[in-house]
Amino acid sequence: GQNIDQPTEMTATEGAIVQINCTYQTSGFNGLFWYQQHAGEAPTFLSYNVLDGLEEKGRFSSFLSRSKGYSYLLLKELQMKDSASYLCAHNAGNNRKLIWGLGTSLAVNP
Amino acid sequence: SAVISQKPSRDICQRGTSLTIQCQVDSQVTMMFWYRQQPGQSLTLIATANQGSEATYESGFVIDKFPISRPNLTFSTLTVSNMSPEDSSIYLCSAVGGGGYEQYFGPGTRLTVT
Repeated sequence: GQNIDQPTEMTATEGAIVQINCTYQTSGFNGLFWYQQHAGEAPTFLSYNVLDGLEEKGRFSSFLSRSKGYSYLLLKELQMKDSASYLCAHNAGNNRKLIWGLGTSLAVNP
Repeated sequence: SAVISQKPSRDICQRGTSLTIQCQVDSQVTMMFWYRQQPGQSLTLIATANQGSEATYESGFVIDKFPISRPNLTFSTLTVSNMSPEDSSIYLCSAVGGGGYEQYFGPGTRLTVT
């Protein structure tokens, strides 16, 4: 089957670093995605990993290990505006359909 | 990236009626999808909107309840038929363009059924 897990909630302090983990099980794999969703808004694309390793994009980085079925999103120099839900998703086939995690609600405190 | 608009942004409807939601993309895209999202929950895929043919529905969703059209590569509609309060949700369309895999989302339609 296809399964994807991530923590429900996390809390961090402004200026700090936070790592949001995601594990998945799938019979096919075509990439791991991270999205950010602020309350009342649509999800916005953050990152896409298809090969193992770390992809850095400004304050946000995403890591993938295909052999371990594991990814993380790393947020550095946290800002209050980073308070949002972070959704992990993977593409399991050639139809570009995504399998979504339940999302991690991140609260950044002053 | 694609810019996606949805109409209406929100609506309050009576039980038993139907609502059609429109999704317009600013460029031709390969795939379009329709999702439902309850407040505080993750995304649930309703169906893949196929250009020129019937949509592909996920388990638990049927064409009679959620008819979908996609007449061309930039536009799709989702109809929520014979609505009940359980259909109250946010409905989102998304699109995948060109050779990429990332999905871009419209702003969503907030539906309340009374």
